[in-house]
Amino acid sequence: NAGVTQTPKFQVLKTGQSMTLQCAQDMNHNSMYWYRQDPGMGLRLIYYSASEGTTDKGEVPNGYNVSRLNKREFSLRLESAAPSQTSVYFCASRDLGGGPTDTQYFGPGTRLTVL
Amino acid sequence: AQSVAQPEDQVNVAEGNPLTVKCTYSVSGNPYLFWYVQYPNRGLQFLLKYITGDNLVKGSYGFEAEFNKSQTSFHLKKPSALVSDSALYFCAVTSPRSSASKIIFGSGTRLSIRP
Repeated sequence: NAGVTQTPKFQVLKTGQSMTLQCAQDMNHNSMYWYRQDPGMGLRLIYYSASEGTTDKGEVPNGYNVSRLNKREFSLRLESAAPSQTSVYFCASRDLGGGPTDTQYFGPGTRLTVL
Repeated sequence: AQSVAQPEDQVNVAEGNPLTVKCTYSVSGNPYLFWYVQYPNRGLQFLLKYITGDNLVKGSYGFEAEFNKSQTSFHLKKPSALVSDSALYFCAVTSPRSSASKIIFGSGTRLSIRP
């Protein structure tokens, strides 16, 4: 049981390049999330998927797209990277029990630098 | 709209003293409240949560938090701080009424425990 896994761990891009961040969870959770973490800003929600087949915008969706490939996988794509997207990106999943099992679990993060 | 406020960017405490990390929230309906801890270069780890029931919630590593509905607060506490408690702490909120299960995080509080 690996929990939430993310690839890659580190990435350096040039402005205008594209890339996809991968996330997978093996806990059979319905909901998955992408956050970015910037100094002094805490965690900001980029996109989320409440269940397989649905995706919705969070607080800071501009410049990103997502795909909920199946129940396990939720990818984040940067079509044309910008220096403002330099950040640490976290994927999370959550069992929407609404009760004792309702907890969000995080991956280890991807540190992205855009030059 | 949901929101979380962590009014202190940093909290400094001497080892062995009690610590408090403050959190206030705004949400429609009954809140689900969470505390997470982040160690350097790591993802977020779940500490504890309030869903319903007893207002005093006990979590990992000797931490506890008290839900106060009238003050809309969920402060994190520990009776005796350890140097190893030094980390970044995040409060988060959601509710059963939340649109498709969004969880909103505070900006984080850096806890520093001096020997």
